[in-house]
Amino acid sequence: DADVTQTPRNRITKTGKRIMLECSQTKGHDRMYWYRQDPGLGLRLIYYSFDVKDINKGEISDGYSVSRQAQAKFSLSLESAIPNQTALYFCATRDGTNTEAFFGQGTRLTVV
Amino acid sequence: AQSVTQLGSHVSVSEGALVLLRCNYSSSVPPYLFWYVQYPNQGLQLLLKYTTGATLVKGINGFEAEFKKSETSFHLTKPSAHMSDAAEYFCAVSDWGNKLVFGAGTILRVKS
Repeated sequence: DADVTQTPRNRITKTGKRIMLECSQTKGHDRMYWYRQDPGLGLRLIYYSFDVKDINKGEISDGYSVSRQAQAKFSLSLESAIPNQTALYFCATRDGTNTEAFFGQGTRLTVV
Repeated sequence: AQSVTQLGSHVSVSEGALVLLRCNYSSSVPPYLFWYVQYPNQGLQLLLKYTTGATLVKGINGFEAEFKKSETSFHLTKPSAHMSDAAEYFCAVSDWGNKLVFGAGTILRVKS
């Protein structure tokens, strides 16, 4: 089993719908991150969390919200999806500021 | 706030030639620096990292990078490119604030 699991892997949704992307990890890490990847823009940070009581906005948090349900689970929600949120979304975890991040396989989201 | 600039969104080299992918960073404190690789339809995999100590860092698959504080650079090199090196490469920076910020990525093409 993968250390960082994202569900669903692919999703097509309609404009205005609410959608949740889920991430779970078995690494035992405190730090969890959500990124979106767009061609030519790299990975941009949406939200990050140091523990279940600490949630921080990244550089592109508008239109998104998150929930850290447990140390191992970090969900990303789009309250009202719009087409420019079509992207590849990655969850990542790590256990320190100088340690590597471990990534999930990504969720490809299409908003039509 | 930290940031990363990767010069060249696309780099093309011949098989057997030197690979050089450029990364410059901005950070108000001594940074931790990372290079990741992404193969098509996959997540990100760590190539190498610099935290402290030796400024020349060796990674997997024959890649290495040198941290140059005076130039705020962390360029990735490989003496001889293989076809299997074709992928997208991301430079990332982290500081004591726990954020992990990525560059826009460089797509490496290897010609036979």
